[in-house]
Parts: sequence; structure tokens; C-alpha cells
Amino acid sequence: AQSVTQPDIHITVSEGASLELRCNYSYGATPYLFWYVQSPGQGLQLLLKYFSGDTLVQGIKGFEAEFKRSQSSFNLRKPSVHWSDAAEYFCAVRPNFGNEKLTFGTGTRLTIIP
Amino acid sequence: EPEVTQTPSHQVTQMGQEVILRCVPISNHLYFYWYRQILGQKVEFLVSFYNNEISEKSEIFDDQFSVERPDGSNFTLKIRSTKLEDSAMYFCASSEVRTGHHNEQFFGPGTRLTVL
Repeated sequence: AQSVTQPDIHITVSEGASLELRCNYSYGATPYLFWYVQSPGQGLQLLLKYFSGDTLVQGIKGFEAEFKRSQSSFNLRKPSVHWSDAAEYFCAVRPNFGNEKLTFGTGTRLTIIP
Repeated sequence: EPEVTQTPSHQVTQMGQEVILRCVPISNHLYFYWYRQILGQKVEFLVSFYNNEISEKSEIFDDQFSVERPDGSNFTLKIRSTKLEDSAMYFCASSEVRTGHHNEQFFGPGTRLTVL
């Protein structure tokens, strides 16, 4: 069965600092990979996705993620965080065919300090 | 831009009562999903629905849950006899059905269910 691990439950960074959120997955083949952001009390917003091709994908709000097959990882990065980036971030995977369900990680809560 | 909508945004109910959560998927989408998120926990898959039948369901989706597409636009999740542990945010999602395509899932804003 597929699974997603986000090893960092809570990360605190200073505004303007760089950010990297870790995501590792377990799956028999290369799945589709996603990062979602959830602000307090809000729904899920898709930041970016990887299906195939270039392993560095760009998303909204200045985020990017790099797929590393050898490490089964899909880490999310941002060079300079803004106070508005404070939120919960979820990595998710699904099989690379059809309309299969998403499997989510446990999330990483990001706190930004001035 | 088309979006998935959900009503109500917040539902409060007494334990043992029936609730129906409603979703309007994006109009040309044919695959529908319900997920839930218990407070402070990860988002979990409940059920997927296509061609008027359940495609897949998780072990969470027991006999007290049911889904229905009563008309051409709505997709509902019914919980027959709510329990305290059903308190969660429930997300609806929908996707197109295109062979050989990625068929991204689009999420609604969620319904927060509180069972007292």
C-alpha cells in the first residue's frame, strides 16, 4: 500500500528565510505527487504537482518541489518565506493512472516569526 | 473559474442524528470523492463514486455512511446515526474522466461537522 511520510510535524522559520519541507513516499512505482496548503479553517489549495518529466516543478506562491526517485522524496522549497505562508502543508500521492484516491501525509505546520 | 462548492460550511448535530452533507462538483466532472480530516490529523479518503456507484471505499466508510448523486448536479454524503468521533472537516472533490490524462482532483472548501 502507498504511504506518505512528512517527518517534521512543526517548523518555525523567520520571515525572509528559506524553507524546505520534507516528504517521502512509499509506492511500488512512481506515483503522482502533490503538495497542498491549508490555512486555518480553510480548505485545501493545490500548490504544485508532479506527473512526469522535469523533476523540478514550479508552483503557485513562489513554491517549488523536486522529485528525487532515488530517495523517494518530493521536498517542497521556497527561497524566502512571507508571513502569509504560515499554514499547514500536506504532501499527497496517488497512483499514476485513472482516478485513484489521494493518500495524504500527516502534514507539517509552518510558523513564521518576524 | 469553476469550483467545487459545499454546503453547509458548518453543521452542528446531536449524537445519533442523521446528517447530509452536500457538494456541487465541477459541472463536467464525473468522478467524485469524499475525504475527511479530524481536527489536528491528516486528510483521509472515505469514498470515490463514478457512474452512479461506489468505485472504492475505505474501512472508515462503514454502514452508517452512504453517498448519492440525487440529480445532475449534487453529490451527497449521509451519515445515518452520528457519533462523537464523526466530528471532522469533510471535503468533497471531483475530477474529470479522461483516459490517459492526469485527472486532477479539485477540492471544495469543506464542511465542518460537530457532533455533540
